[in-house]
Amino acid sequence: EPEVTQTPSHQVTQMGQEVILRCVPISNHLYFYWYRQILGQKVEFLVSFYNNEISEKSEIFDDQFSVERPDGSNFTLKIRSTKLEDSAMYFCASSGGDSYEQYFGPGTRLTVT
Amino acid sequence: AQTVTQSQPEMSVQEAETVTLSCTYDTSESDYYLFWYKQPPSRQMILVIRQEAYKQQNATENRFSVNFQKAAKSFSLKISDSQLGDAAMYFCAYEESDFGNEKLTFGTGTRLTIIP
Repeated sequence: EPEVTQTPSHQVTQMGQEVILRCVPISNHLYFYWYRQILGQKVEFLVSFYNNEISEKSEIFDDQFSVERPDGSNFTLKIRSTKLEDSAMYFCASSGGDSYEQYFGPGTRLTVT
Repeated sequence: AQTVTQSQPEMSVQEAETVTLSCTYDTSESDYYLFWYKQPPSRQMILVIRQEAYKQQNATENRFSVNFQKAAKSFSLKISDSQLGDAAMYFCAYEESDFGNEKLTFGTGTRLTIIP
């Protein structure tokens, strides 16, 4: 069964450093998303992406964040200068094709020290 | 803005018994989708069941079923014959859309414990 994959599973970085989180969505999906979940809290929407551009973004998704689909398979989230409060689980999801359900990847746990 | 409320932070149920998790939401839209996601300790988000708002019939997926009350804006999840593997956080989620493929708004979750 096709699935969304994410790498790395865990990333530790120092405050102020740039990180890139990578996702490979399901191959026939057209819509891509990033969500984050701070430990013990609910899952929050960051950004959606369709047709090579951002469809919608939340207030969390400020100028420090960017997304890109550099090739036909990868979908990346970049945080330019990480802060302690960026520590969270980051989930990629995709949807489209013949289904509207969003399928989530296993997540990347980002720890900013 | 849409909001999703899960008023039960924690629930527990005896193995093989039935448990119902509550969810209410607020929206002015008439077309939307509702979902229940399961998050086990691995923290993977797993889709459990979905409901289209235009369908009056409640969705069912094996031991999982929903009670969708559109007028009351209520969307509860019933788990029958609870199993140890059902232990997880359960999140209710709302998606506003005429066509699908929009952002999900999640509730704060209910932690379900299964008692052997």
